Amino acid sequence: QLQLQESGPGLVKPSETLSLTCTVSGGSISNTHYYWGWIRQPPGKGLEWIESMSHSGSTYYNPSLKSRVTISVDPSKNQVSLRLSSVTAADTAVYYCAASTPGMIDYWGQGTLVTVSS
Amino acid sequence: EIVLTQSPGTLSLSPGERATLSCRASQSVSSIYLAWYQQKPGQAPRLLIYGASSRASGVPDRFSGSGSGTDFTLTISRLEPEDFAVYHCQQYGSSPPMYTFGQGTKLEIK
Repeated sequence: QLQLQESGPGLVKPSETLSLTCTVSGGSISNTHYYWGWIRQPPGKGLEWIESMSHSGSTYYNPSLKSRVTISVDPSKNQVSLRLSSVTAADTAVYYCAASTPGMIDYWGQGTLVTVSS
Repeated sequence: EIVLTQSPGTLSLSPGERATLSCRASQSVSSIYLAWYQQKPGQAPRLLIYGASSRASGVPDRFSGSGSGTDFTLTISRLEPEDFAVYHCQQYGSSPPMYTFGQGTKLEIK
């Protein structure tokens, strides 16, 4: 049973870069079965997929965020990272780490709230 | 880009009643790539249904999914108190690979 845990600053200033890390336990991030990625949910709103990385290293982005997003994987630490640049108040959300297979999100982290404010 | 529209936005029912939640896609979706999630306040979503009609591990059999093409349904046959939550539908498009969610249906106690 995979467990995913997000970590990172809860407050980011406008125009700066949001950086989050997801630590995976209960399995290897090198597992070829899963895509590793991020999903967010603004307060009181629906879910928005951000990006995913396949076991082969291919990355897939939400077109609306592609220009500002970077995902990376560190197999030595069993971690996945997200960087979102030039943030605004619209990027305030709970950010979830996710392990997915084509068609569904199998595992979710508990989520971490990131507020963009000066 | 495929848009998923869930209806109703809010559904008010009593325990023991049957709940029917709708998810409509702006264009045809492969059934194998349609999923439903349950989300309780302050929690991450939980996978309920995948492949439009297959229950995820540990999901009670009062939950069922159906549909094809552009119209999909999540049915809860007999509501239990713990079923009152927000439900999200999601589709996966393979070209390019991306996940899209509906806006959610809130199931509340009447």
